[in-house]
Amino acid sequence: DAGITQSPRHKVTETGTPVTLRCHQTENHRYMYWYRQDPGHGLRLIHYSYGVKDTDKGEVSDGYSVSRSKTEDFLLTLESATSSQTSVYFCAIRGLAGGTDTQYFGPGTRLTVL
Amino acid sequence: AQKITQTQPGMFVQEKEAVTLDCTYDTSDQSYGLFWYKQPSSGEMIFLIYQGSYDEQNATEGRYSLNFQKARKSANLVISASQLGDSAMYFCAMRDLSGSARQLTFGSGTQLTVLP
Repeated sequence: DAGITQSPRHKVTETGTPVTLRCHQTENHRYMYWYRQDPGHGLRLIHYSYGVKDTDKGEVSDGYSVSRSKTEDFLLTLESATSSQTSVYFCAIRGLAGGTDTQYFGPGTRLTVL
Repeated sequence: AQKITQTQPGMFVQEKEAVTLDCTYDTSDQSYGLFWYKQPSSGEMIFLIYQGSYDEQNATEGRYSLNFQKARKSANLVISASQLGDSAMYFCAMRDLSGSARQLTFGSGTQLTVLP
């Protein structure tokens, strides 16, 4: 258990509204990531962070912004949600598993944009 | 750019038999890592096994083994003695080891169903 929680776990919203998803970790990991999962695409990286206030874009960053004001929290914001952003969102942290530098994932947030 | 291809959208296997899930990759990097994750119907992503591009031996982890063929750019997952609990979506992923962010690039996944 890498101590990652995501909130909310489920959300339904309307097109054009702002939405913020929260990822919280308890183990002081430096690197955090946001992915989205869609059928036929696997997981795709949206943004990542390599420290407080240090973030960078991933493969599918358009329409998303992130913030990290504390080590333990990484926020993903949809400024104006669109139906194409209906997806399952996973947060991940970079950590060690038996000596392997890997990523641990949170439980996911299912977002539906109507 | 890195790319992962999983050509089997769905696979069926009889309980107690072995199954191979295919994964091919494309990269110009010399140093990289290959991962397999399991996603059961409950939705969480579970790390299974890792292979580094410079590892000479195939990785094994319990009933999971990774058949790594570098020249063919393939990293197939072999599950021995399948169990009903192995029914899940399986994702192959690659990580560039040269950068600091080390983000993962995922394939589209293979849905494995274990039949009783």
